[in-house]
Amino acid sequence: AQTVTQSQPEMSVQEAETVTLSCTYDTSESDYYLFWYKQPPSRQMILVIRQEAYKQQNATENRFSVNFQKAAKSFSLKISDSQLGDAAMYFCAPPPETSGSRLTFGEGTQLTVNP
Amino acid sequence: GAGVSQTPSNKVTEKGKYVELRCDPISGHTALYWYRQSLGQGPEFLIYFQGTGAADDSGLPNDRFFAVRPEGSVSTLKIQRTERGDSAVYLCASSLLGGAQYFGPGTRLTVL
Repeated sequence: AQTVTQSQPEMSVQEAETVTLSCTYDTSESDYYLFWYKQPPSRQMILVIRQEAYKQQNATENRFSVNFQKAAKSFSLKISDSQLGDAAMYFCAPPPETSGSRLTFGEGTQLTVNP
Repeated sequence: GAGVSQTPSNKVTEKGKYVELRCDPISGHTALYWYRQSLGQGPEFLIYFQGTGAADDSGLPNDRFFAVRPEGSVSTLKIQRTERGDSAVYLCASSLLGGAQYFGPGTRLTVL
């Protein structure tokens, strides 16, 4: 079974500063996708960023970027220039057991952004 | 539609009653997923459809839970003889085959 560990239940950051959320996972797959989702109080899960394991380059989406270390099975999310709207629960999702199948979520990291 | 929609947004029912939760996926998405999220936890997988058929229903907790997707688009999650422990947010997601999953706003189910 796929497993994921988010070792930081809570994180806080000052507005405009940078924060990194950690994620480690386990998989036997060699080619896969990894995802970060955010869930604000509205409860909708929003896709933040996706990383393809075969790509050497780390994915970037505006202020969000990842540090993907395939050998270490580590997939951290960096949020630059943090904004109040970034406050949410963040979930890392490791590779599905087979392409297109279920996502397994950890317990998440609650991010607080302080003004 | 622009995104995944779910109805109702909130459902309150009494223990022992039957409920149906509806999910309308993004147009053209062949895969549809149901998850359940309890307070303070990440979503837990329930069932996954590829087209009309359930490709993986191993996450359904027991036989009181059932889901259908008769035309390969809209899906309904059905819960019989509801119990207080069924109270949770039920999330639906859809995707293209092998693609990222996009979630709906969820249905908050409360069983009194």
